[in-house]
Amino acid sequence: ETGVTQTPRHLVMGMTNKKSLKCEQHLGHNAMYWYKQSAKKPLELMFVYSLEERVENNSVPSRFSPECPNSSHLFLHLHTLQPEDSALYLCASSQGTRQETQYFGPGTRLLVL
Amino acid sequence: AQTVTQSQPEMSVQEAETVTLSCTYDTSESDYYLFWYKQPPSRQMILVIRQEAYKQQNATENRFSVNFQKAAKSFSLKISDSQLGDAAMYFCAYRSGIIGGSEKLVFGKGTKLTVNP
Repeated sequence: ETGVTQTPRHLVMGMTNKKSLKCEQHLGHNAMYWYKQSAKKPLELMFVYSLEERVENNSVPSRFSPECPNSSHLFLHLHTLQPEDSALYLCASSQGTRQETQYFGPGTRLLVL
Repeated sequence: AQTVTQSQPEMSVQEAETVTLSCTYDTSESDYYLFWYKQPPSRQMILVIRQEAYKQQNATENRFSVNFQKAAKSFSLKISDSQLGDAAMYFCAYRSGIIGGSEKLVFGKGTKLTVNP
C-alpha cells in the first residue's frame, strides 16, 4: 500500500481522442512525477513537479500536457497520441526531491489505436 | 549523463535459496542515492532498499541486502531465503544528490526474477 492511486487503470484511445490520466497521493508529499514504462526499455521520467511547479521536463512531446493543481493531484492530459505512445504510465510522489524516496502508483496501461 | 546497467535480463532461484542481482552504474557525481525497486506482475512499483553513496555501510532490509562497491560503481542486491512472493521484475535506480542536479530516477532495464518451488 503506497498511498498513490491512479485512474484509470486501463485506457484505450484513438489517435484523435483527448483523455486525461489522474494521479492522487495521500502521503502528504510535495513532489510528484510522471514516468513512462515501455516494453524492454528503462523507465523514462517525463515530468517533475515540486510544490506544484514544474521543475523538470525531459523533452516530452507537446501532445502530453501535465497539470498539477495542488500538491496531492497530478494529471497528464493526452491529445493526438501516436501508437508508439502505448505504454504503462506511472505516477510517483516523494516528500521532497533529490534525496527522498519516490513511491509509485499502480500505473495506467495505455493503448493507442 | 548517468546510466544504470543491469546485465541479467532474467534470473531464477529455488525457494529458500539465495540469489544476487547485479547492477552497475556510471556517474561523475560524488553525491547520489541508489535504489532497488520491485515490480510484481500486478505492476505496482515497490521500494525494496536504498543506499546513500556517502554511507560505507551496506543497507539491509530483512532478507534483502546490498553490496555497494562505490569505487567499482557496483550495487548488487542479495535476496536471502527466497520466497515465491519475491518473483518480480527488479529495477536498479540512481538519483543525483547534487544540488542543481537532475530530479529524476535513472533506471536500469530490469531483471526478471523467477522463484521455483
